[in-house]
Amino acid sequence: QSALTQPRSVSGSPGQSVTISCTGTSSDVGGYNYVSWYQQHPGKAPKLMIYDVTKRPSGVPDRFSGSKSGNTASLTISGIQAEDEADYYCCSYAGNYLKVFGGGTKLTVL
Amino acid sequence: EVQLLESGGGLVQPGGSLRLSCAVSGFTFSTYSMSWVRQAPGKGLEWVSGISASGGSTYYADSVKGRFTISRDNSKNTLYLQMNSLRAEDTAVYYCAKDPYGEYFEYWGQGTLVTVSS
Repeated sequence: QSALTQPRSVSGSPGQSVTISCTGTSSDVGGYNYVSWYQQHPGKAPKLMIYDVTKRPSGVPDRFSGSKSGNTASLTISGIQAEDEADYYCCSYAGNYLKVFGGGTKLTVL
Repeated sequence: EVQLLESGGGLVQPGGSLRLSCAVSGFTFSTYSMSWVRQAPGKGLEWVSGISASGGSTYYADSVKGRFTISRDNSKNTLYLQMNSLRAEDTAVYYCAKDPYGEYFEYWGQGTLVTVSS
């Protein structure tokens, strides 16, 4: 199972919106509505930010949103803040309990 | 408060074995699937293995199939990962995670570092 494709890095100034893409295949992203997104600060464990493509867990700010079109999912952060600077990983269910991650995207807040 | 606490990591020689544990509190452990996810130094996340709530079904990434064994003891609220025939490429921080429906990772532990080196 190949990793999902994410941009290595994205950046934006405080208050701007940024979008991180996650491209897979019809066997993972395109085949199931089970894409999730994780935020990871340096030296910390990942944190669930979005699940089932668009759902936000309790406590996650509503500036984080998810979407999907075909084999590509996206995470949008509207009005980015300094504390949003982190690595972001997408993950998709790929059938038979298997999950596949993207390579990660480093978000820099300028 | 949900807590997942991994232990058992350390330095092991290639070909050696190690058993990781993950002690869970804050939710009804026996009701949910669980997974192990690893992260090699400076690299991304990789799902390693998963287990159903009852322990009756187990799943593995191709990279560890035949070498790693996942198990759980619902009476002790503890998840395990037995790792045999370890290779240098297994060097990583290993996280246990609540995987409620087999689709995403809701809560994560702080991780335990496994280093495979001679």
